[in-house]
Amino acid sequence: GNSVTQMEGPVTLSEEAFLTINCTYTATGYPSLFWYVQYPGEGLQLLLKATKADDKGSNKGFEATYRKETTSFHLEKGSVQVSDSAVYFCALIDSGGSNYKLTFGKGTLLTVNP
Amino acid sequence: EADIYQTPRYLVIGTGKKITLECSQTMGHDKMYWYQQDPGMELHLIHYSYGVNSTEKGDLSSESTVSRIRTEHFPLTLESARPSHTSQYLCASSAGFSTEQYFGPGTRLTVT
Repeated sequence: GNSVTQMEGPVTLSEEAFLTINCTYTATGYPSLFWYVQYPGEGLQLLLKATKADDKGSNKGFEATYRKETTSFHLEKGSVQVSDSAVYFCALIDSGGSNYKLTFGKGTLLTVNP
Repeated sequence: EADIYQTPRYLVIGTGKKITLECSQTMGHDKMYWYQQDPGMELHLIHYSYGVNSTEKGDLSSESTVSRIRTEHFPLTLESARPSHTSQYLCASSAGFSTEQYFGPGTRLTVT
């Protein structure tokens, strides 16, 4: 079956620090990969996505590259801000057939201090 | 910006009560989903629907039920709430062949 393993938190950084949240996956087909973000008291928002190997998703200074050889999709940002404090979820959809169900990692809580 | 709504946002009720959590979207999306988010943040798919009059159970067994009579509406019902149902419930939708899901703000349910 499909699964997503992401770096356990919580992660605490100072403003302007470099961020990496690791994510690896297992899938039976050719998955599309996602990072979702959940700000306090809100639902999830799509942060970025990649649909095939070597694609790089990017948004709001965050980046992640689809690495098929290492089955990874690590999230990075060069300089975090206090407003980036949130829970980050790595997820996949196994794009074979008519499956549209997301498989999520357990989430990583990021706190950025001023 | 996604237009998907959930009501109520917060609900505290006693054991044994029947409750319905509402989810509506104005985007005309054919697919809708319910996720349960436990206190440890982990998300579990409990129900999904790929169209009107079509509903399926998700990966996590749930005592709740859902219906999909209209495209825009996907309510979730608990016939008899118990403390173990205390959780956050997130509704989401997606369209056609798109893999992007849009999430509502969630309902935080507490059963005392």
